[in-house]
Amino acid sequence: TQLLEQSPQFLSIQEGENLTVYCNSSSVFSSLQWYRQEPGEGPVLLVTVVTGGEVKKLKRLTFQFGDARKDSSLHITAAQPGDTGLYLCAGVGSTGANSKLTFGKGITLSVRP
Amino acid sequence: NAGVTQTPKFRILKIGQSMTLQCAQDMNHNYMYWYRQDPGMGLKLIYYSVGAGITDKGEVPNGYNVSRSTTEDFPLRLELAAPSQTSVYFCASTPGKANWGNQPQHFGDGTRLSIL
Repeated sequence: TQLLEQSPQFLSIQEGENLTVYCNSSSVFSSLQWYRQEPGEGPVLLVTVVTGGEVKKLKRLTFQFGDARKDSSLHITAAQPGDTGLYLCAGVGSTGANSKLTFGKGITLSVRP
Repeated sequence: NAGVTQTPKFRILKIGQSMTLQCAQDMNHNYMYWYRQDPGMGLKLIYYSVGAGITDKGEVPNGYNVSRSTTEDFPLRLELAAPSQTSVYFCASTPGKANWGNQPQHFGDGTRLSIL
């Protein structure tokens, strides 16, 4: 079973601060996805990273896939209250053959005005 | 586009009752999934389907059943509701097949189910 550990589990910061959160595993993934979920809604995809060492930027959000494709990080610059939500990472197994994602438990981010 | 539609949005059941959670997608996606989400536990896969007539168990299938008679619909059945099945249930779909791991999963807004 491939497990994804996300840390920290909870994070409360002031508007304007920077933060980095993590998604770690002992297993290799062929790709990794980050989703954001707001209360009362389903998760929405933010980004997919595929290549080891890959960095993708989405406005103030920077995603990195580890060189060994076992971990990923999300850095938010100058956090805004609109960034508040649950951030989930999800991995595709190294063979990609089993047609299902493995989700981490998520990181609950609260950005105070 | 409606995307993934789940009904009902909320439901309260008594122990031992049965019900079907409905999920429909209008994107002609091949792959569909059912997850449950409990506080602090992320998403756990219940069942999934890679096409009409094909279903497979996920991580937590006990107490649930599914069917996939059409590409569009993927209902989830609870036969004998138990308090442990109190959760928020999400249905998702993705185009599937080649490079499915690079495709986003499109989620519905969930069904909030309480078993009392």
